[in-house]
Amino acid sequence: EVQLVESGGALVQPGGSLRLSCAVSGFTFTTYDMHWVRQATGKGLEWVSGIGKAGDTYYAGSVKGRFTISRENAKNSLHLQMNSLTDGDTAVYYCARGGPNGFDYWGQGTLVTVSS
Amino acid sequence: SYELTQPPSVSVSPGQTARITCSADALPKQYAYWYQQKPGQAPVLVIYKDSERPSGIPERFSGSSSGTTVTLTISGVQAEDEADYYCQSADSSGTCWVFGGGTKLTVL
Repeated sequence: EVQLVESGGALVQPGGSLRLSCAVSGFTFTTYDMHWVRQATGKGLEWVSGIGKAGDTYYAGSVKGRFTISRENAKNSLHLQMNSLTDGDTAVYYCARGGPNGFDYWGQGTLVTVSS
Repeated sequence: SYELTQPPSVSVSPGQTARITCSADALPKQYAYWYQQKPGQAPVLVIYKDSERPSGIPERFSGSSSGTTVTLTISGVQAEDEADYYCQSADSSGTCWVFGGGTKLTVL
């Protein structure tokens, strides 16, 4: 059974940093692209970042230069390092498995709240 | 930046057909994907590559594409289909993804 479990969400002050993780199981992690998608309360989905099988990385304009996506293949884990956080980054962050057939599996999300 | 436009809301009665459109603001259009999201839950993929249905998704869900517009059709809508629906596509490089603003489907 495919599972994605996010962790690391917390309350952080503006300007602070946070590292999210996503532990995956049930599939061969190294053969899939992975993504982070976020959703502010009552708002729509926003793609944040993606990482390819070879480690190539991609970012939405709103987070480029502040967020860093990485993957730890030996531990079947995906990470998102978030720096210089602002109120606008407050959201539930989902990790999702990507591929030519779309984002076919999602975690349940982890809440990041940026507030003083 | 690449944008996808969806109607904010669609309402149908049970048993009717719901159609949700998603318009891209530029060509070429990459494949589109559709996700269903119920309150408090993670999104679920219901259509991929414009019109393909993942295993486990009911046959009443279908997708189509014409020009820069894709459409999610739900035939014989059931109460359980009430949810938010999001279209998704990639930019011309195929590496950066965009979601539409979402459409709230209400089953009257």
